[in-house]
Amino acid sequence: GENVEQHPSTLSVQEGDSAVIKCTYSDSASNYFPWYKQELGKRPQLIIDIRSNVGEKKDQRIAVTLNKTAKHFSLHITETQPEDSAVYFCAAIGDFGNEKLTFGTGTRLTIIP
Amino acid sequence: DTGVSQNPRHKITKRGQNVTFRCDPISEHNRLYWYRQTLGQGPEFLTYFQNEAQLEKSRLLSDRFSAERPKGSFSTLEIQRTEQGDSAMYLCASRPLAGRGNEQFFGPGTRLTVL
Repeated sequence: GENVEQHPSTLSVQEGDSAVIKCTYSDSASNYFPWYKQELGKRPQLIIDIRSNVGEKKDQRIAVTLNKTAKHFSLHITETQPEDSAVYFCAAIGDFGNEKLTFGTGTRLTIIP
Repeated sequence: DTGVSQNPRHKITKRGQNVTFRCDPISEHNRLYWYRQTLGQGPEFLTYFQNEAQLEKSRLLSDRFSAERPKGSFSTLEIQRTEQGDSAMYLCASRPLAGRGNEQFFGPGTRLTVL
């Protein structure tokens, strides 16, 4: 089955600087890669996702890049703000008919004011 | 609130007792998922329904766990003879029909504590 590894497990960044979180996946058939943000005691919420037919996607301060050959994808947050502090999870899902999201172990991002 | 809802939000039980959780998906989402999340970990897939049919179950779902979605709307997850290792956050998610997006929308979860 799919295995998703995520690094780093914790990340502290000065407010205004950029943050990068990296994930690798094992199943070359995986074709959808969402990123979820989870604040303490709250539900995971999708912040950005990418399908395997594109290499990069951007939404304001957030971007995701995908390298299918190397089987890794990354989340980039620019101009970080205190409200970006949360736990971020990457995930992967396979081909049509495979409904199981496999999550990474999470990155606790702390923005230092 | 038109999002995924779960009840109860918190459940404390003694070892050996049975517990049942409920999930109400977003209206017209025909796919429903259960995940379990332990402290410091990402959600782990438990099971998935398309309408009322349970199409996939994880090996994590022992025979003490059973999930139903009898009318293809809300779903229940029952844990029999609870063990301390069952303590976790149980998350439900739903997703619309094929071709209408890949996002799985999560509920707030039910936090189970087994004493």
